[in-house]
Amino acid sequence: GESVGLHLPTLSVQEGDNSIINCAYSNSASDYFIWYKQESGKGPQFIIDIRSNMDKRQGQRVTVLLNKTVKHLSLQIAATQPGDSAVYFCAENKGPAMYSGGGADGLTFGKGTHLIIQP
Amino acid sequence: ETGVTQTPRHLVMGMTNKKSLKCEQHLGHNAMYWYKQSAKKPLELMFVYNFKEQTENNSVPSRFSPECPNSSHLFLHLHTLQPEDSALYLCASSQEAGPTYEQYFGPGTRLTVT
Repeated sequence: GESVGLHLPTLSVQEGDNSIINCAYSNSASDYFIWYKQESGKGPQFIIDIRSNMDKRQGQRVTVLLNKTVKHLSLQIAATQPGDSAVYFCAENKGPAMYSGGGADGLTFGKGTHLIIQP
Repeated sequence: ETGVTQTPRHLVMGMTNKKSLKCEQHLGHNAMYWYKQSAKKPLELMFVYNFKEQTENNSVPSRFSPECPNSSHLFLHLHTLQPEDSALYLCASSQEAGPTYEQYFGPGTRLTVT
């Protein structure tokens, strides 16, 4: 089976509320994680990343939390807006991050959670 | 836009046809990728090119043949495909190949094999 997964295929939230999207991973050696957003008809777009030496990283309205003890990753979106409607999926590297060279197949992708914004 | 363009956006082909997908990046990157995205399945890496050299072939069937004539262009040649090959094919680029280099994706080509 895949090593990266999501707990819910669909998440529905009210506009203005905070959204939390979860991801579980099984590779203890993974040390780099990424969240992507994919809007309908578009390719995935990088949102935020985090390395395993951090527990939390914040961006603009987004926060990624990493719990290495239970191998859990989450994406929090503050004050969810209609434009946040998309599929969100996480990715992890299969082994220690390579800072040059290496291979893109170091990334394992999750299936995705469809975030639906209710007006 | 992301700086990565793909043509065509939609393609319907029979199992005996030969077609090609094209990707072009305007970002000055040195690595380009082909991915397959099927419904309800995770993104699958197919091929990686770094500085025009193929560095990864993720056990992809030979009916898919990539070509990278220069670091800005990437093609995926298709022949004798199967219906299960119907999917969204995504191209991406990054400064160099490697999981920690941010990848920029194109909008994809929606392929239907009949």
